Amino acid sequence: QVQLQESGPGLVKPSGTLSLTCAVSGGSISSSNWWSWVRQPPGKGLEWIGEIYHSGSTNYNPSLKSRVTISVDKSKNQFSLKLSSVTAADTAVYYCARGGVKQQTNNWFDPWGQGTLVTVSS
Amino acid sequence: EIVMTQSPATLSVSPGERATLSCRASQSVSSNLAWYQQKPGQAPRLLIYGASTRATGIPARFSGSGSGTEFTLTISSLQSEDFAVYYCQQYNNWPTTFGGGTKVEIK
Repeated sequence: QVQLQESGPGLVKPSGTLSLTCAVSGGSISSSNWWSWVRQPPGKGLEWIGEIYHSGSTNYNPSLKSRVTISVDKSKNQFSLKLSSVTAADTAVYYCARGGVKQQTNNWFDPWGQGTLVTVSS
Repeated sequence: EIVMTQSPATLSVSPGERATLSCRASQSVSSNLAWYQQKPGQAPRLLIYGASTRATGIPARFSGSGSGTEFTLTISSLQSEDFAVYYCQQYNNWPTTFGGGTKVEIK
């Protein structure tokens, strides 16, 4: 079955850029699914960040759109998140997840990666 | 953006009892609603999609109902492993949004 694994720095300085990668195993990122990033500030709820299709098409949450870039590397079977101009408010556990219905954006998510905590602090 | 409101924030239930969790959407989301379970330190786990379809491997004690703006997740007989936080998510309107969660704790 498909498994997702996030990786990247756990500490980012304010005004810097957060960069994370999600490795997909047990399946192809070129399957007809959209691939998403979701975040969760400590002790709080879930916020969808954005999604990408293997073709490179993307959709971003309007609340973060000006700072977010999601890209895909089919040769490595992975996709990545960059969030620029970060502040303490961007401190969160970041999850990658697969959209549940093939070819459908705005989807439910299954499976999820285990998540990685990114702290924004000097 | 559609606002999802979950109630109650915390539900205290004894093992073996029934738990009923509510999720309300600020406007109709048809049946495009999912439920997730999250335990401390773990990622959310999909329980229900399409408002009432159980995901693969989810026990029959979990059931979902509702459409439009009012949804319910019912756990028929709580097991020890069911004590967790539960989130609803609408994916009818873009962008997808989540509720604030209901924590199910041991009474």
